[in-house]
Amino acid sequence: EDQVTQSPEALRLQEGESSSLNCSYTVSGLRGLFWYRQDPGKGPEFLFTLYSAGEEKEKERLKATLTKKESFLHITAPKPEDSATYLCAVASYNTDKLIFGTGTRLQVFP
Amino acid sequence: DVKVTQSSRYLVKRTGEKVFLECVQDMDHENMFWYRQDPGLGLRLIYFSYDVKMKEKGDIPEGYSVSREKKERFSLILESASTNQTSMYLCASNPSLDRVGDEKLFFGSGTQLSVL
Repeated sequence: EDQVTQSPEALRLQEGESSSLNCSYTVSGLRGLFWYRQDPGKGPEFLFTLYSAGEEKEKERLKATLTKKESFLHITAPKPEDSATYLCAVASYNTDKLIFGTGTRLQVFP
Repeated sequence: DVKVTQSSRYLVKRTGEKVFLECVQDMDHENMFWYRQDPGLGLRLIYFSYDVKMKEKGDIPEGYSVSREKKERFSLILESASTNQTSMYLCASNPSLDRVGDEKLFFGSGTQLSVL
């Protein structure tokens, strides 16, 4: 069964304290792995798509990486405005549906 | 920019009422989706549609129905609302699931539904 697990559930960082969020997946035939950011009371907003192991994508303080079993979202020198819930989702060749993890709630304190 | 608009931000209904949640997208996307989001459970797919008048069940379709009479509009219907349908409902769209790079979803802002 296709599955996505995100860890940790919640993460509190001091401003400038770099860290990583993890997304582990089990899927038959990965078509793509997606990262979204969700602010409270809003819908998720697309960040990155990764398609193959070894691929990396960057946007400002965020960098997403992908292996055959997991993806990391690295946050370098975070700022309070990076506080949000980060969602991971995978698409497989077996199904037309995206499978979402439950997210990591990130809080960055000044 | 793609815009997905959900008709209501907050909605309060009574048990047994028929509830309509409306979603409109302005980018001529083929696919539209309805999700519900609950703490600790993540996003769960209720229904999706590949084309006008087409619909497919997602993971949790029980108690819901959908309607897609026009390409830009996808409605979620709760035939008889129950308290366990209190949730955040998110509509999403994308151009295609077949073309690489087109699979990413564009979400609306969500409707927080409370059923009393």
